[in-house]
Amino acid sequence: GENVEQHPSTLSVQEGDSAVIKCTYSDSASNYFPWYKQELGKGPQLIIDIRSNVGEKKDQRIAVTLNKTAKHFSLHITETQPEDSAVYFCAATSYSGAGSYQLTFGKGTKLSVIP
Amino acid sequence: GAGVSQTPSNKVTEKGKYVELRCDPISGHTALYWYRQSLGQGPEFLIYFQGTGAADDSGLPNDRFFAVRPEGSVSTLKIQRTERGDSAVYLCASSSGQAGETQYFGPGTRLLVL
Repeated sequence: GENVEQHPSTLSVQEGDSAVIKCTYSDSASNYFPWYKQELGKGPQLIIDIRSNVGEKKDQRIAVTLNKTAKHFSLHITETQPEDSAVYFCAATSYSGAGSYQLTFGKGTKLSVIP
Repeated sequence: GAGVSQTPSNKVTEKGKYVELRCDPISGHTALYWYRQSLGQGPEFLIYFQGTGAADDSGLPNDRFFAVRPEGSVSTLKIQRTERGDSAVYLCASSSGQAGETQYFGPGTRLLVL
């Protein structure tokens, strides 16, 4: 099955600086890579996603890059703000049979933005 | 509401008891997933429904866990003879059911087994 590794586990940045979180995956058949933000006591919230036919995607201060050959993808947050502080999860999905597109998650990165 | 809802938000039970956790998916979403999130970990897949049928239950840890979705909308995750190791956040997600479509998560049910 799929295995997703995520680094770093914790990340502290000064407000206004950039933050980068990296993930690798094992299953070359994976074709969809979402990133979720989870605040304390809440469920994961999708912030951006990328599909395997695209190398990069940007949405305001957030961007994601995908390298299919190396099987890794990264989240970039620019001009960080205190409200960006949360746990971020990367995930990968591929068809697992019987119509299931289950997500396999990394272990998460706790981002702290210091004012 | 527009999002996925889950009830109860918190559940405290004693070891050996039976619990039911409910998920209301986004209206019109045919695909429904249950995940379990232990402290400090990412969510882990439990079971997937397409419509009324459990199409993939490969993530259920043992036969104490069971889930239903009788009318293709609301789903209930059932845990028999709860154990302390079952303590976790149980998350539900729904999607349109098309290949690789976004899964939208609910707020989760925090289960504590004493």
